[in-house]
Amino acid sequence: DAGITQSPRHKVTETGTPVTLRCHQTENHRYMYWYRQDPGHGLRLIHYSYGVKDTDKGEVSDGYSVSRSKTEDFLLTLESATSSQTSVYFCAISDLGANEKLFFGSGTQLSVL
Amino acid sequence: KQEVTQIPAALSVPEGENLVLNCSFTDSAIYNLQWFRQDPGKGLTSLLLIQSSQREQTSGRLNASLDKSSGRSTLYIAASQPGDSATYLCAVYGQNFVFGPGTRLSVLP
Repeated sequence: DAGITQSPRHKVTETGTPVTLRCHQTENHRYMYWYRQDPGHGLRLIHYSYGVKDTDKGEVSDGYSVSRSKTEDFLLTLESATSSQTSVYFCAISDLGANEKLFFGSGTQLSVL
Repeated sequence: KQEVTQIPAALSVPEGENLVLNCSFTDSAIYNLQWFRQDPGKGLTSLLLIQSSQREQTSGRLNASLDKSSGRSTLYIAASQPGDSATYLCAVYGQNFVFGPGTRLSVLP
């Protein structure tokens, strides 16, 4: 299995609080992604990174920010969590141009009450 | 905007059957297509990757084909087993990865 660790695995929080999810990889892959998976919507891209300090928005980026200060770490922050952000969040990595397979972490179940 | 659909949404078959899952995409300007498997409560696992210049890829009992001009891919599973029960998703890579909604497969003993 690709070395991807997501933390925490589960989190329950209240509306209006900030939340940070962490993705850590040991594969030295250049690209890292944050997705959310919801019934009826499938997997949707939130943000992605193509290098240290290089990030871009996906299709559902509103209410989310990201940071990548090191190759191995990609953080997703919900500035002020809302109930609509209750979801399963997946981190993924790829090494486009070398090995284009996409490898996923185990996910974080986030509940915003 | 790229859109990916998968048919059927769910499929239930007896053990031992051969089966085909379908994936369609609207924009043929892709670099590759991947098939993934997702078990309940788990992340996605890449099964097969087909480059846009390829027609098919095989791994064990799995065979995936790609017809880029018609915007279609199929995943063929031979001699299905209960352990194949999972959700299967396809994803195309153009400007970014776009996923289909998945086919939920149940293989009955």
